[in-house]
Amino acid sequence: DAGVIQSPRHEVTEMGQEVTLRCKPISGHNSLFWYRQTMMRGLELLIYFNNNVPIDDSGMPEDRFSAKMPNASFSTLKIQPSEPRDSAVYFCASSLGGEANTEAFFGQGTRLTVV
Amino acid sequence: GDSVTQMEGPVTLSEEAFLTINCTYTATGYPSLFWYVQYPGEGLQLLLKATKADDKGSNKGFEATYRKETTSFHLEKGSVQVSDSAVYFCALKRGNYQLIWGAGTKLIIKP
Repeated sequence: DAGVIQSPRHEVTEMGQEVTLRCKPISGHNSLFWYRQTMMRGLELLIYFNNNVPIDDSGMPEDRFSAKMPNASFSTLKIQPSEPRDSAVYFCASSLGGEANTEAFFGQGTRLTVV
Repeated sequence: GDSVTQMEGPVTLSEEAFLTINCTYTATGYPSLFWYVQYPGEGLQLLLKATKADDKGSNKGFEATYRKETTSFHLEKGSVQVSDSAVYFCALKRGNYQLIWGAGTKLIIKP
């Protein structure tokens, strides 16, 4: 299996523009997570999907952020409009089932720079 | 609420030195515990895990034992290599999906 695949790996955009990050989870995994990583705040869970349904979006910072999972093999995280403070590395992760002892598998991340 | 506390880094060691990275947690019940490693420019990957008290997780020469009495899950390795240089994250799993993360500890190994 190729693992969790994220695109793009790097994104540089101007303030006010729309940004869409993409994720393909590991086949068969039914849980998907979007994380944001910054030096100041570390790893933050933005949203969690189970069986394509958003279960917990309490970590989404504000209405500018939205996430979708139209099917089991694809998810997007959209920022509109983007701001410089959104600059971070965004990770997608997936896992199998909802068991307490299963681990999450991470993609390589998208490094977003908003100028 | 649940939390994970890791020793602050960076931790700098010489090759073949003994490594300990401390991790303590606060949680209700008995969560599963994890160590993840992040190499430069990459995502996090699972290093080892333990799911109940006194379990020992091990992988690639790293070990950690789930200590309920001290609420700890310290990471150890007997002889580190330059290739072990990375950021190490301790985490606990709350419920069936949410991972609570430590701040990460950067490890630098000098040849």
